[in-house]
Amino acid sequence: KQEVTQIPAALSVPEGENLVLNCSFTDSAIYNLQWFRQDPGKGLTSLLLIQSSQREQTSGRLNASLDKSSGRSTLYIAASQPGDSATYLCAPYSGGGADGLTFGKGTHLIIQP
Amino acid sequence: EPEVTQTPSHQVTQMGQEVILRCVPISNHLYFYWYRQILGQKVEFLVSFYNNEISEKSEIFDDQFSVERPDGSNFTLKIRSTKLEDSAMYFCASGRAGGMSPLHFGNGTRLTVT
Repeated sequence: KQEVTQIPAALSVPEGENLVLNCSFTDSAIYNLQWFRQDPGKGLTSLLLIQSSQREQTSGRLNASLDKSSGRSTLYIAASQPGDSATYLCAPYSGGGADGLTFGKGTHLIIQP
Repeated sequence: EPEVTQTPSHQVTQMGQEVILRCVPISNHLYFYWYRQILGQKVEFLVSFYNNEISEKSEIFDDQFSVERPDGSNFTLKIRSTKLEDSAMYFCASGRAGGMSPLHFGNGTRLTVT
């Protein structure tokens, strides 16, 4: 059974800093991994989907890396802004098409203006 | 940009009552899901639905739960006899190619069982 751990659980940094969020998972037989953002009282927004064959995926100021064999992924946020404040969740996908995602508890990020 | 929409945003019900949570997935998506999040806990998978049938369900999705796609646009989750521990945020999600493509989530229905 897939288990997902995210470190740190919470992070508060001043605006402008570059930061790294970590995700580890126990079952490395995955097809891909998604990073999501969740704002308070809202649903999840998919930020990046990185395939198992990829090492990195970039979208704007976000960069996700994946080391499938060691069961790790990182989300790098460049030049953080107050609007980046949210909870960030990672979810590796192990199934055969319709199976559900397994989520970590997330990293609660606060960017101080 | 197309969105997944969920109604109602908040539902309060008494223990033992039936509730139906409604979702309109993105129109060209083929895979549909329900997830739940108990306050302060992880987002948990409940059920996936493809080709008009359940593809997979978790241990949480017991006989009290059922899903239906009654027409070409709606996707519903029914809880037959609610318990206090069913209180949670319920999220509907849809995707083009199951877990192989980004999942799009609705804003959720907060269910409070009293």
